[in-house]
Amino acid sequence: GDSVTQMEGPVTLSEEAFLTINCTYTATGYPSLFWYVQYPGEGLQLLLKATKADDKGSNKGFEATYRKETTSFHLEKGSVQVSDSAVYFCALRKRNSGNTPLVFGKGTRLSVIA
Amino acid sequence: GAVVSQHPSRVICKSGTSVKIECRSLDFQATTMFWYRQFPKKSLMLMATSNEGSKATYEQGVEKDKFLINHASLTLSTLTVTSAHPEDSSFYICSASNTGTGELFFGEGSRLTVL
Repeated sequence: GDSVTQMEGPVTLSEEAFLTINCTYTATGYPSLFWYVQYPGEGLQLLLKATKADDKGSNKGFEATYRKETTSFHLEKGSVQVSDSAVYFCALRKRNSGNTPLVFGKGTRLSVIA
Repeated sequence: GAVVSQHPSRVICKSGTSVKIECRSLDFQATTMFWYRQFPKKSLMLMATSNEGSKATYEQGVEKDKFLINHASLTLSTLTVTSAHPEDSSFYICSASNTGTGELFFGEGSRLTVL
């Protein structure tokens, strides 16, 4: 079945460091790919998405590029801030139709220290 | 922007009681909603797919008599945890699919603690 694998955490970085969180997926066809962020005690927020190969999603300084050849969607940010501390989930969706759920990776906890 | 409201955000109950969690799409219609469960420091596990006016589809291993789902209108789905036990303590998150666009939106989550 479809699955998402992302790097194990926790990841601890100093402020202004470069961030990469790896994500690879297994799916037939051409799923849409997503990154969600969960701040402590809160629900999920969509961070960025890409719907086809070579698309780059970006938001709040975060970027991820849909790489079909490596089945990857790695999350990057050039300079992290303390406020970026959260859990990040990579996810795929087989089709953007109503009854198709998201399939999530296990999440990567990021802690940014001042 | 599209908003999904989940209520209550936190609930504490005694073992053996039932708890109902509501998920409402506030400014769009959602023929389909999804219920997830998140264990501490773990990922989100899809529990069931809820379709308006029909029975929910449960994922393998999820007890449908334990987790009752009702989707009586295009803007409301409810999850009832029946005869709750401490092992049901978890963070439950709903997601609503915009009927027109298929886009997904998440509720804020409901933390259930069963004593």
